[in-house]
Amino acid sequence: GAGVSQSPSNKVTEKGKDVELRCDPISGHTALYWYRQSLGQGLEFLIYFQGNSAPDKSGLPSDRFSAERTGGSVSTLTIQRTQQEDSAVYLCASSQNEGQGGETQYFGPGTRLLVL
Amino acid sequence: AQSVSQHNHHVILSEAASLELGCNYSYGGTVNLFWYVQYPGQHLQLLLKYFSGDPLVKGIKGFEAEFIKSKFSFNLRKPSVQWSDTAEYFCAVSGGSYIPTFGRGTSLIVHP
Repeated sequence: GAGVSQSPSNKVTEKGKDVELRCDPISGHTALYWYRQSLGQGLEFLIYFQGNSAPDKSGLPSDRFSAERTGGSVSTLTIQRTQQEDSAVYLCASSQNEGQGGETQYFGPGTRLLVL
Repeated sequence: AQSVSQHNHHVILSEAASLELGCNYSYGGTVNLFWYVQYPGQHLQLLLKYFSGDPLVKGIKGFEAEFIKSKFSFNLRKPSVQWSDTAEYFCAVSGGSYIPTFGRGTSLIVHP
């Protein structure tokens, strides 16, 4: 079946511009995660959506970052007034959250963002 | 708070060598432990996970990991690596929340 998809695959933007990154999770998965992966670093958690609950935004690095998830499916991560330090690969993952904490995450291919 | 430490950032081996990648976590309660792998040009995917039961977990492609609670460790092993095992390996832990914390990753290069 279809996996997690993300678009665009690559994005080059100028400092100060806004960008939107999209994630389509696996159908039926109630949990959706956004991570950021910088060169030589691990996966940095950004935000977590679970069903209709309020998202866990504890990982967002600044108020320039926001995300929403419409209809419990597609999610958009928005970065306003981009800075060069925002350059990274942004990964989306989804899982069937059955309330036990050991669910496998299914990752998308990522969006590689370069801020000039 | 939970945290994960991967001791080896870069590992270079020859084919048929044995592999052990270290992973230690910090969390005082019940944990779920994961190893994910990212092959060149591919998505991150699950290699194996520990949820409960037998602390020796077997995954895909001949990999295994042992959960040693007293050492807060979940090391990844493979008795004989292949060139196709060249990849980035990430250890992750989820303790009190559904949000796994990932280590910095280990880059493995296997020479043919």
